[in-house]
Amino acid sequence: GNSVTQMEGPVTLSEEAFLTINCTYTATGYPSLFWYVQYPGEGLQLLLKATKADDKGSNKGFEATYRKETTSFHLEKGSVQVSDSAVYFCALRTGANNLFFGTGTRLTVIP
Amino acid sequence: GAVVSQHPSRVICKSGTSVKIECRSLDFQATTMFWYRQFPKKSLMLMATSNEGSKATYEQGVEKDKFLINHASLTLSTLTVTSAHPEDSSFYICSVAGAGGKETQYFGPGTRLLVL
Repeated sequence: GNSVTQMEGPVTLSEEAFLTINCTYTATGYPSLFWYVQYPGEGLQLLLKATKADDKGSNKGFEATYRKETTSFHLEKGSVQVSDSAVYFCALRTGANNLFFGTGTRLTVIP
Repeated sequence: GAVVSQHPSRVICKSGTSVKIECRSLDFQATTMFWYRQFPKKSLMLMATSNEGSKATYEQGVEKDKFLINHASLTLSTLTVTSAHPEDSSFYICSVAGAGGKETQYFGPGTRLLVL
C-alpha cells in the first residue's frame, strides 16, 4: 500500500540554522512526491514537488530530491527564517488523484 | 491558485446533534472537492471526493450516512456530520482540485470539531 513517514516534531531552530525534515515513503508504482506547508490559520499550500526519480523540487529556498533507492524525499533549507515557522507535510500520489500525507512536522524558528 | 474558505473554523456541539461544515471556492469553479480528516498526530486521511451535481465517492471505512456530502454548486460543498459523537471530534479539511487537474489541490484552513 501507500504510506508516508516523516519525522516527528516539533522542531525548533534558531534563525539562519540549517533545516532537514526527513520523509520516507512506501508506494505501489511510481509516485509523485510533494511537500505541503501550512502557515498558522491558513490551508495547506503546495511548497514543492518531484514527479520522478532524481528530480529535485525547489521553492522559497527549500529543496527536496526524489531518491528512489532510499525511498526518501527529505526537505532541506540552508538558512531558515522566522517566517518559515509552519507545519510541513510530506505527501505522495500514485496514478489517481488521492494524496497520501505524512503526519506533519511543526517547525518553529526563533529569532 | 484558488482561494478556499471553510466555515466555521471551529465548532463545539453536544453529542447527538448534527453539524454542517461549508467549503467554498472563492475564485475558482471547482467540479471536484475533497474532504479530509486529521486526528491529532496523525496523517490527513481522505474521506471522500465530492463531484458537483453527483454523489460523493467515499473512501473505504467512511460511513456515507454519517458524513453527508453535498456539492450543489461549483463553489460550495458541505459536509454534515450527523448524530455526532465524541469520537467524531477531529480536524476536517476540504480541498479543491485545480485547473491543472489531479496534481494540484488547494486547501481550506480546516474546521476543528469538538463533540462533547
